[in-house]
Formats: sequence, structure tokens, C-alpha cells
Amino acid sequence: GAVVSQHPSRVICKSGTSVKIECRSLDFQATTMFWYRQFPKQSLMLMATSNEGSKATYEQGVEKDKFLINHASLTLSTLTVTSAHPEDSSFYICSAFRTGGVDTEAFFGQGTRLTVV
Amino acid sequence: GENVEQHPSTLSVQEGDSAVIKCTYSDSASNYFPWYKQELGKRPQLIIDIRSNVGEKKDQRIAVTLNKTAKHFSLHITETQPEDSAVYFCAAPSAAGNKLTFGGGTRVLVKP
Repeated sequence: GAVVSQHPSRVICKSGTSVKIECRSLDFQATTMFWYRQFPKQSLMLMATSNEGSKATYEQGVEKDKFLINHASLTLSTLTVTSAHPEDSSFYICSAFRTGGVDTEAFFGQGTRLTVV
Repeated sequence: GENVEQHPSTLSVQEGDSAVIKCTYSDSASNYFPWYKQELGKRPQLIIDIRSNVGEKKDQRIAVTLNKTAKHFSLHITETQPEDSAVYFCAAPSAAGNKLTFGGGTRVLVKP
């Protein structure tokens, strides 16, 4: 099956620093990737849609200047959490659709557990 | 946008019994309804999906039913086993077809 790889799987950073998370589609090209945040015992909440070669689309309430998204190639999207604070601690997970349509199976990265201390 | 509600939020069943999880959605144009299973600290994985041109789909112990008129779909797990313990999410695409909205999740515990 299609594979989406996400790195790092776990990161601890100091408050005020920035953290970059990578999401790669390993065996298919993804013009669109999605970034979710999942707090403990909660659902996946879509943060933004990453579009290859253009600006990301952010969901309401998500600060685009804090969560920087870059989709520079058809197989790589990055999420940078800038000036991280303890409340940004969460499980971040990316996904992509192999065929590009949301009416097909979504493949997820392994997720990144971010802890801001 | 699409609004997906999922019930119950937690479900405890005895091994061998059935488990049923229900979801409702708001956008009548939605045509694809997947169910994902997520184990603690891991990525969600697709377990079954259904399209709007069918009312029911079954895969071994797992089945999904869809009622488009009522805008709800359900996951049925029969002969539950301890390894079925996980969090299950339903989802539905937005009307624009550009993103997937997830339900709130159901934490299923199968007691041996």
C-alpha cells in the first residue's frame, strides 16, 4: 500500500524555539497533503491543507504565522511550529490521498509527538 | 462545512459480543464514508469504507451500513476480540471534496 513517512516521531523542545516536522509520500506523488493535530483522547483536527507550489490553506482558528507549511515538492511537505509554547504540545500527523481525491483511502504518517517544555 | 458526529464516545463490550458505533453527517453531497482504527500512539488505519451507491458492506467481522436519507452510517464489529480494543473514527469528505472531516472518536474496550 501507499506509504506516508513522517519525521521525527518524537521531539522535545524548549519554549520559544521552533520545530520542523517532515511528511513524505514514499511511493506516490501528493500535490495535496493534510496536517492534523490530535490532543490526548481527542479526535484529529485538521489544521491546514498543504498545496504543492502554492500557499497552504489554514482552517479557522489556526495561526498561519505560527504553523508554517511548505510543500516544495510533490513528495514532501513540512510543518514548522514557530515560537513553540507548552500549549502546542500535541500529536501532529500528516496525511495524503494516493489518487488525490478525498473519496479514497487516506494514508497517514506515523505522527510526531511534540512536547514543549 | 461538513459536521460529523460520532456516538458513543466510549464503548465497553465483553469478548465475543458485538460493538456498534454510529455517525451522522451534515452534507448530503458526501459520497464516501471511511472508518479508521487508531491504536494508542499510532497512526489511524483504514478498516472499511463505503460509498453512497451501496447501503451495506461487509469484510469478515466488520460491516458498515449507510442510510443516505437519514445521513447516518454505522460500524458493526461482531465476535469482538481483545485486539479490537482501540479508538475508532468515522469520517466524511467536505462538499467541496477537498478535505476529510473526522468524528469525535469512540474508545472501544473489549474485556476478555
